[in-house]
Amino acid sequence: DTGVSQDPRHKITKRGQNVTFRCDPISEHNRLYWYRQTLGQGPEFLTYFQNEAQLEKSRLLSDRFSAERPKGSFSTLEIQRTEQGDSAMYLCASSSLAAWYTGELFFGEGSRLTVL
Amino acid sequence: DQQVKQNSPSLSVQEGRISILNCDYTNSMFDYFLWYKKYPAEGPTFLISISSIKDKNEDGRFTVFLNKSAKHLSLHIVPSQPGDSAVYFCVETSGSRLTFGEGTQLTVNP
Repeated sequence: DTGVSQDPRHKITKRGQNVTFRCDPISEHNRLYWYRQTLGQGPEFLTYFQNEAQLEKSRLLSDRFSAERPKGSFSTLEIQRTEQGDSAMYLCASSSLAAWYTGELFFGEGSRLTVL
Repeated sequence: DQQVKQNSPSLSVQEGRISILNCDYTNSMFDYFLWYKKYPAEGPTFLISISSIKDKNEDGRFTVFLNKSAKHLSLHIVPSQPGDSAVYFCVETSGSRLTFGEGTQLTVNP
């Protein structure tokens, strides 16, 4: 396992469609995070999991967004009824329990969403 | 309300010279500050951190300085190399979430 992997790398969809992104973290990492990055901005926190439990959600995560990590391994982020404002890079990251406090996360390459 | 501010969107330096990237923050109740580096088409990667109880941390060519009275953070890279060309994010951590600045694009010219 060489790092955090995300799929798909790029998704183009029409407004109103649903999309789902998958993240496979580094296998021994307990914590998994989702961030969103728009053009010219730094990544913004969306939510994080410790094992299968979703422990914190940002107010950015509207009710159209849902994230799961059913078995404490991979995670999915689903966006329902997509809007043009959802166009962004969705980044997944993972960390060990020992490293989370210092902020040392390992990020994937991201999934870019374009909503037409 | 931006809690971490990087006022310079870009910086260009010559190879071998010093690069200084700056960051201002508003939240005094933080645990760590970090710098992340991002190349195009890749995710951000951790570079260096400093805890709230220190004023300097050094790792090879990279040194981070923390001035708590001024609420200012800086990253020094010396000597700068062309491979250092990337976007650098100043990041605050308190609890489980990271708060990123807007980023500074560093270009090191050969």
